[in-house]
Formats: sequence, C-alpha cells, structure tokens
Amino acid sequence: GENVEQHPSTLSVQEGDSAVIKCTYSDSASNYFPWYKQELGKRPQLIIDIRSNVGEKKDQRIAVTLNKTAKHFSLHITETQPEDSAVYFCAASKVYGNKLVFGAGTILRVKS
Amino acid sequence: EAGVAQSPRYKIIEKRQSVAFWCNPISGHATLYWYQQILGQGPKLLIQFQNNGVVDDSQLPKDRFSAERLKGVDSTLKIQPAKLEDSAVYLCASSLPGTVPLGQYFGPGTRLTVT
Repeated sequence: GENVEQHPSTLSVQEGDSAVIKCTYSDSASNYFPWYKQELGKRPQLIIDIRSNVGEKKDQRIAVTLNKTAKHFSLHITETQPEDSAVYFCAASKVYGNKLVFGAGTILRVKS
Repeated sequence: EAGVAQSPRYKIIEKRQSVAFWCNPISGHATLYWYQQILGQGPKLLIQFQNNGVVDDSQLPKDRFSAERLKGVDSTLKIQPAKLEDSAVYLCASSLPGTVPLGQYFGPGTRLTVT
C-alpha cells in the first residue's frame, strides 16, 4: 500500500522567513496531494492541494510543488507569521476511492 | 455552510467498556470517513462509506470496531470492548463523490481516553 514520509518532524523559523516541508510517497498511482494544517486541539483544515497534472500551485503565501518522477511534493510558506504555527500534514491518494494516507506531521514554530 | 459535526467531543471510559461516536457530514457529501489519530501521528483511515455502502474498511479492527451509515447521511462508530491503545482522537470527514479526488473536510473530532 501507499506510504507517505514527511520531513522534518519539527521546524522552527523566525517570523518573516520561509518554511519548507517535504513529503515522499511510494505509490506511483497516487495523483492527489493535499496539505492540512492542524492547530492544537483543533480539526485538520485543508489549506492547499495539488493534482498530478500540475507541477506547482500557489495561494497567497503558500505554495505546493510536485515532482512525479521523484515521487515527492513540498509545501512552501513564505513570510511566515506566528499564526502559521501548527502541525502540518501531507497526504496522498489515488483517483478512485479517495483514501488519504497521511504523513506523520511537521510541527512548525514561528518565532516572533 | 455548516461543517462536519461530531459528538461527543470528549469521552473517558475504562478498558473493556463500550463507546459510540456520532458524525453528521456536510450536506450533500455522499462520502464519509472515520479516521483514528493517535497523539503525535497523522490520521489513519478506519473506514470509508459511499452513501450507505462500505468502500474501504481494510484497517478497521473488526473484532472490536464497527461502523454504520444506515440512511447514507449520519454515521456511528462503535468500539466494544475498548482497549488502552484505543485512546486517540476519532475524526470524521466528508467529501463530495466523484472519480476525481476532492478535498476531505474534517469534523472537530472525539477525544477518547481509555483508562
């Protein structure tokens, strides 16, 4: 089955700096890659997603890139703010079934 | 639009007791998921429904866990009997059906503590 690895497990950045979180997946049939943000005690919230027919997608300060050949995708957050502090999860799924397999998560701390 | 609703939000039980969780998905979302999130880990899919039929329950411990979605809307997840390792947050999510993967939207979760 699919396996998603996520790095780093923790990331500390200074406010205003950029943050990058990387994920690799094992199943070449996966073609949908969402990212979720989870604040302490809250539900995971979808922040951005990308499909395999697209190499990059941006939404204001966040962007996701996908390299299908290498089977990895990354989340980029620019101009980080304290409210970006949370746990970020990547996930992968195939077209049919829509079962999401999640990475282990990255704790992002933005220091002001 | 209203989000995914879950209840209860917290539950503490002793091992070997039973417990049930309830989920009401976003209106119109035919696909419903139950995930288990152990502290410090990503959510793990337990079961997926399409309307009232099961699509995937390969990771559901069927000797103790059961789930149903009788009318294709609300769903319940039951654990009987509970074990200490069942302590986790149980998340319900829903999405629109279709052949193209679409975003899953999560409820607030039920935090279960088994003592």
